[in-house]
Formats: sequence, structure tokens, C-alpha cells
Amino acid sequence: EIVLTQSPATLSLSPGERAILSCRASQTISNKLAWYQQKPGQAPRLLIYDASNRATGIPARFSGSGSGTDFTLTISSLEPEDFAVYYCQQRSTWPGITFGQGTRLEIK
Amino acid sequence: QVQLVESGGGVVQPGRSLRLSCAASGFTFSNYGMHWVRQAPGKGLEWVAVIADDGRDKKHADSVRGRFTISRDNPKNTLYLQMNSLRVEDTAVYYCAKDRAVAAAAYDFDSWGQGTLVTVSS
Repeated sequence: EIVLTQSPATLSLSPGERAILSCRASQTISNKLAWYQQKPGQAPRLLIYDASNRATGIPARFSGSGSGTDFTLTISSLEPEDFAVYYCQQRSTWPGITFGQGTRLEIK
Repeated sequence: QVQLVESGGGVVQPGRSLRLSCAASGFTFSNYGMHWVRQAPGKGLEWVAVIADDGRDKKHADSVRGRFTISRDNPKNTLYLQMNSLRVEDTAVYYCAKDRAVAAAAYDFDSWGQGTLVTVSS
């Protein structure tokens, strides 16, 4: 099973700052990585697929990069509504789809 | 717009069964693979199962294989998860999620329901 490790576990920043979230895979997954945002009491929302493609309706301040084993989600200038938990997810190989453990982005 | 509405959750004793449903609308249900994803209280996300658009191909996570079965009824636009031999560790919010890609499954999820809580407890 491919393990995804997200860092940091918690990121404390202020609105207007840049956020950089990391996701590392235990083996190469090409570009088969997605990013999701989850707010308390809500379902996750797809932000990025295939490592760098923004999903429909996602603001341009969200961007994804990386391939192989190392991936990054960047939020260029944080808005108040961006403070949430972020998960990466790989779909490269079976036996399964796996998620990272999440990064909590909190207001400093 | 896409709407996914789960139902069927509740409190159940270990070893018992439960069937979850997910009613879909706002898109051509029969064109998309569908998934179940769960989230234990205060924990991260865990993929549970996927079913192809025509229902012929199914895959289940190791943690539920042999106990859970995903199925679908395309004329009724409904996805199901039959859960047997439930364990305490199956306690979670269960989300149904639509696959991003038409026909050939992308195995990522562009629409989610609001979730239904399953609590397994004696």
C-alpha cells in the first residue's frame, strides 16, 4: 500500500500570507495525486487533480505541483475561508486509493 | 447541480448489518463510477469501495473486503453499501462520492454527499 505523508501536521498563518503544504508518497505515483479541503462539519471538496489541475470553480490562488513522490499545494494569499484541513489522495496503484493524514491550516 | 444524499446510518451492535443508500441527482448517474469514503470521528479519510458506471467492476478496501459490498441501481439513480459483520472500528461518517471522470474512472472524487453516521456499539 502506498503511504502518503503530509507535512506539517499543523500550519499557523495569517490571512494574506502564502501557505505551502507538502505531501510525500512512499513510492512513485507519477502525477496521480489530488488535494481536498475539508471544513468542520462538511464533506471534503476537490481542489486539485492530477497534481496540478484545478477542479471546477476553485480559485486561482490554489495551485498544485509535483510528480513522482513529492507534491505541494500552494495557496498564494490566504483568505479567511481557506482555514481548514487539507488532504492529499493518490490513485496510482491497487490494492487501493489512499489519503494522507491531513494538514490543519489554522489562523495565527 | 450534482446532489448526493446518503441515508441509512444509525446505531448498530457489533456483528449486525446495515445498508446505506445514496440518492443521486443532477448528473447522468449511469455514466460515472461511484465510491464510498468514510471518516472515523476526529480522524482522516479512508476510501472504502468503488463501483464502475455499469456496476460490473467493484473494488473494496482490504479493511472491509468480505464484509461490505458496494452496488448500484442505475434506473433508480441510487448507490448502496451493504455492511455485514460490523465492528466497532467501522464507526464513521460514510460519504458517497462521485468519480471525476466519465466512463473510465479517475479514482478521485469531485462531488460528495453530506455523509451519514454509522455507530457500531454494544
